[in-house]
Amino acid sequence: GAVVSQHPSWVICKSGTSVKIECRSLDFQATTMFWYRQFPKQSLMLMATSNEGSKATYEQGVEKDKFLINHASLTLSTLTVTSAHPEDSSFYICSARVDRGPWSGELFFGEGSRLTVL
Amino acid sequence: DAKTTQPPSMDCAEGRAANLPCNHSTISGNEYVYWYRQIHSQGPQYIIHGLKNNETNEMASLIITEDRKSSTLILPHATLRDTAVYYCIVRVAGNAGKSTFGDGTTLTVKP
Repeated sequence: GAVVSQHPSWVICKSGTSVKIECRSLDFQATTMFWYRQFPKQSLMLMATSNEGSKATYEQGVEKDKFLINHASLTLSTLTVTSAHPEDSSFYICSARVDRGPWSGELFFGEGSRLTVL
Repeated sequence: DAKTTQPPSMDCAEGRAANLPCNHSTISGNEYVYWYRQIHSQGPQYIIHGLKNNETNEMASLIITEDRKSSTLILPHATLRDTAVYYCIVRVAGNAGKSTFGDGTTLTVKP
């Protein structure tokens, strides 16, 4: 398989501050990455599709000004939760689609980042 | 992506085989069956995928019915570390779009 790394694994912040989460493909290039949010005892909910060099595509109901996505290179996408509030506390997960090689076109997931907003 | 149906939960005794079913009656001819699992507080982990032939790797076996409307993931000798939520997804291989996760099956392996 291929390795996707997220950082930080967990973060606690005060209400009103912004938090940045990084998603890196360690041993492959990924033009496309996806961001999910998961609340306790629920399944993953797709938030947005991140494309290198272009604007992200957000799912219905996801505020693009709230969740800023930047995909500046073929191995890095970032999700910034702006002016975070307690209701933004969640488990955020990214996945990356492999551009080429034996796993071309397949998805691999990061370890997830747990955000707690106080 | 075609919709899948999985039982919400299953138990399995440690050391025994765990058989997790998935129904995907609306699967298209070019869609593969994928299985992922999510251990508590971790990201999903790829397990296996297949089109119509049975597949086996170091983690599990995948049995797909001849009509491709259902499949079974088999963990041959379940361990406590296999306790997780297992997701069955059907989609076109090699060009993964946004994968839709259902509720999955919570497998609890008991000593």
